[in-house]
Amino acid sequence: SQTIHQWPATLVQPVGSPLSLECTVEGTSNPNLYWYRQAAGRGLQLLFYSVGIGQISSEVPQNLSASRPQDRQFILSSKKLLLSDSGFYLCAWSSASYHTDTQYFGPGTRLTVL
Amino acid sequence: KQEVTQIPAALSVPEGENLVLNCSFTDSAIYNLQWFRQDPGKGLTSLLLIQSSQREQTSGRLNASLDKSSGRSTLYIAASQPGDSATYLCAVPPGLNTGGFKTIFGAGTRLFVKA
Repeated sequence: SQTIHQWPATLVQPVGSPLSLECTVEGTSNPNLYWYRQAAGRGLQLLFYSVGIGQISSEVPQNLSASRPQDRQFILSSKKLLLSDSGFYLCAWSSASYHTDTQYFGPGTRLTVL
Repeated sequence: KQEVTQIPAALSVPEGENLVLNCSFTDSAIYNLQWFRQDPGKGLTSLLLIQSSQREQTSGRLNASLDKSSGRSTLYIAASQPGDSATYLCAVPPGLNTGGFKTIFGAGTRLFVKA
């Protein structure tokens, strides 16, 4: 069966510090991968998606970046965090046939920027 | 541009009630519609996926219906229990008119079932 992992689970970082969140998927190959952010009281915002190694598309211009160094690894990074980067970050995967398949979400990372 | 709206935003009911959560979408050229559950501080769990050719899907006490022509879906929860307390989100993946990979999520309905 497929599983998706995210770490860390929680993170408190000062403004201006770097960020690295990691997501890995097991039990499937060549998944589509997604990073979402969920701010308090707001809906899910798609940040990045990837259809393959080294292929990243950005939905929202910001100080975050994403990389996919391996087929089942997706990393969200920032060189300098802003207060507005605080939120709940969710990684998800779907099969290549995303039109007929659901997205499967990881447990999330709670980021607080102080 | 696809927009997904969920009503009500929050709902509080006594245990045992049957309830209906509503989801509406503006572009009916969809491939499917999905319902998710999110517990506080947790990720999303897929509940039901209805293909565009289907009218409804059932899983245990949950039943989701889809009416593409009117741009509506409902999630029916029978005999609600305190463990059903969570936020329920509906989502529509990119459709025939949009393409790409951006699934549109509703803002969710926060459900509280009182014991």
